[in-house]
Formats: sequence, structure tokens, C-alpha cells
Amino acid sequence: GAVVSQHPSWVICKSGTSVKIECRSLDFQATTMFWYRQFPKQSLMLMATSNEGSKATYEQGVEKDKFLINHASLTLSTLTVTSAHPEDSSFYICSASNRGGISDTQYFGPGTRLTVL
Amino acid sequence: DQQVKQNSPSLSVQEGRISILNCDYTNSMFDYFLWYKKYPAEGPTFLISISSIKDKNEDGRFTVFLNKSAKHLSLHIVPSQPGDSAVYFCAASRTTQGGSEKLVFGKGTKLTVNP
Repeated sequence: GAVVSQHPSWVICKSGTSVKIECRSLDFQATTMFWYRQFPKQSLMLMATSNEGSKATYEQGVEKDKFLINHASLTLSTLTVTSAHPEDSSFYICSASNRGGISDTQYFGPGTRLTVL
Repeated sequence: DQQVKQNSPSLSVQEGRISILNCDYTNSMFDYFLWYKKYPAEGPTFLISISSIKDKNEDGRFTVFLNKSAKHLSLHIVPSQPGDSAVYFCAASRTTQGGSEKLVFGKGTKLTVNP
């Protein structure tokens, strides 16, 4: 149980284009989904938290107009990197949790490698 | 400000021996701690967690110890296997009325288990 998928697993795009990444919880309803970014040899950095049906909460320094997050259902969240630039190249990982208890565990997707040329 | 610190970027142990991965935190409000295992180009996999009301949690070969007074936790893997070779992330969060707040991750420790 607690499987999270991401699509695509990798994507290469030209500078200035937009890229959409999907995150799905396959066997549970995710009331909350998180989007992280990881640079080489660095920790996972939380970008934003999204709750189903409401606007995402972005971390300080993350441009909400550049990284659009939609959490339209309890099993799907999308991250759209708009007008991508080479510095946006990174490993993007989503996680999902079901806040059924006091302390919840986040289950991570396999990640999406974005390369912007 | 690094609230969760994993001071050893790498650790190498022999197969069959014990692996001990350490993690320190600075925020005394953290009350829930997790360990994740990550292979290259993959997302982290949940391994084991511990609540601050406990000082030990065991799951098979994996045991997590929590020392609240020292703000320190450790992950013990016994016996270590080559398949355990991965990057291990320590993460912490605090519980609020609405559930746990965001996870704060350490930078990870790369464990290599030699056959």
C-alpha cells in the first residue's frame, strides 16, 4: 500500500517552454501533497504544500507564478513549471499523506528529472 | 539555518556488521522523526519513524533511537546487507492541531555496505 506515482519520470525541454508533472496516489486518498526539489548532493527542499481543493502554500523563495500547483482531487496533484529556464533543471519529487492521525507519514513518488536546455 | 543535521556525508561498513547513522536536530518543537532511504534517481522510501513519546522503535533489522535531551536520533541497521547501500535521510516534523507540519530533511548520509 501507499504507492505514489509520478509522470513523466524524466523530461527534456527547451528554455521558455512549460512542463507539467503529475503526482498520483494510487491506493489511498491524499488529503495533502507536497512538492520537493533536490539538487545534486543536497537535501530535499520543500517547495509547496497543497491540500485538495484549496490553494497551495509555497515556501519562502519559491515563485508561485512560476511553479503552478493544482490539487484537483484526492489522488492527483500537478506541478507546472512555466517558462522553464536551465536553472530550473532539477529532480522534482512529490509526496502524499493522508492526515488520518496526529502524526502522518509522507509517501514519496519516484521523482521526475527535468532538464531544461 | 539547518534544523536537521546529518554530519556524516558518507559511511562505509562491512556486510554483516552494524550500520549506525546519526542525526541531530535543533528545534525542540519537533516531535516526530522519520528515516527515508533513497536510491539514485528515485524518490525516498519510508523506512521507520518514531514519536517523541518513545525512545526506541524497532522494525526487523532497523531500529531508531531517540535521545530528546540531546536532540539526537540514530538509525541502527543490523546486520547490514549490500542492498542497504543507499542515501539515508533523517526528517523531522512537529504535530499541530491539524496534523503534522512539513517535514524538514537532513542532507543525507550515503551508506555503502561492502560484501
